[in-house]
Amino acid sequence: QQPVQSPQAVILREGEDAVINCSSSKALYSVHWYRQKHGEAPVFLMILLKGGEQKGHDKISASFNEKKQQSSLYLTASQLSYSGTYFCGTEIGGAQKLVFGQGTRLTINP
Amino acid sequence: DGGITQSPKYLFRKEGQNVTLSCEQNLNHDAMYWYRQDPGQGLRLIYYSQIVNDFQKGDIAEGYSVSREKKESFPLTVTSAQKNPTAFYLCASSISGGRSYEQYFGPGTRLTVT
Repeated sequence: QQPVQSPQAVILREGEDAVINCSSSKALYSVHWYRQKHGEAPVFLMILLKGGEQKGHDKISASFNEKKQQSSLYLTASQLSYSGTYFCGTEIGGAQKLVFGQGTRLTINP
Repeated sequence: DGGITQSPKYLFRKEGQNVTLSCEQNLNHDAMYWYRQDPGQGLRLIYYSQIVNDFQKGDIAEGYSVSREKKESFPLTVTSAQKNPTAFYLCASSISGGRSYEQYFGPGTRLTVT
């Protein structure tokens, strides 16, 4: 029941855009997105709820397609500080716990 | 400042020994979680607790034990029964175990067993 993230890794130049996808085989109640720098704790980015809403802050936004059981994270005009590994965490059937994907490593070069 | 503390940052043990990892939070959160992270891998849930004196097994609970005697504390014991205990361990908490609440993570403990 672990969600599948794609791509596994992506390398961009500063200013380019990226999309990270998260797909589940189970019906989702919510999707969380976190970013983790090497050797550090994951940091919360945003939560998306059932209803297909799109949220965002600054140049990072996300969507949640409940019917397709998918979420996508959009990073526009990427900055060097966006580098890290991005994880989606999915809440299935009101289980009150998250199952995390395997992560997408994002590298931003100058 | 509110937050989650984990100690120690690095821990070394000999095979066959039990070891307890500390996790304390002063955020007044009801729910607490323990995750294991292996190199290049995602986060896997070991145990979680929605309320004091109650906890549930996660996806990889074998070889681990926890207690939740106080709201702010959720220690994890890695027992000698855990076959491959070397990993990065992360503790997290959230306002409640209900849906839609973000999880706050501690800095982690890197455990090495030789």
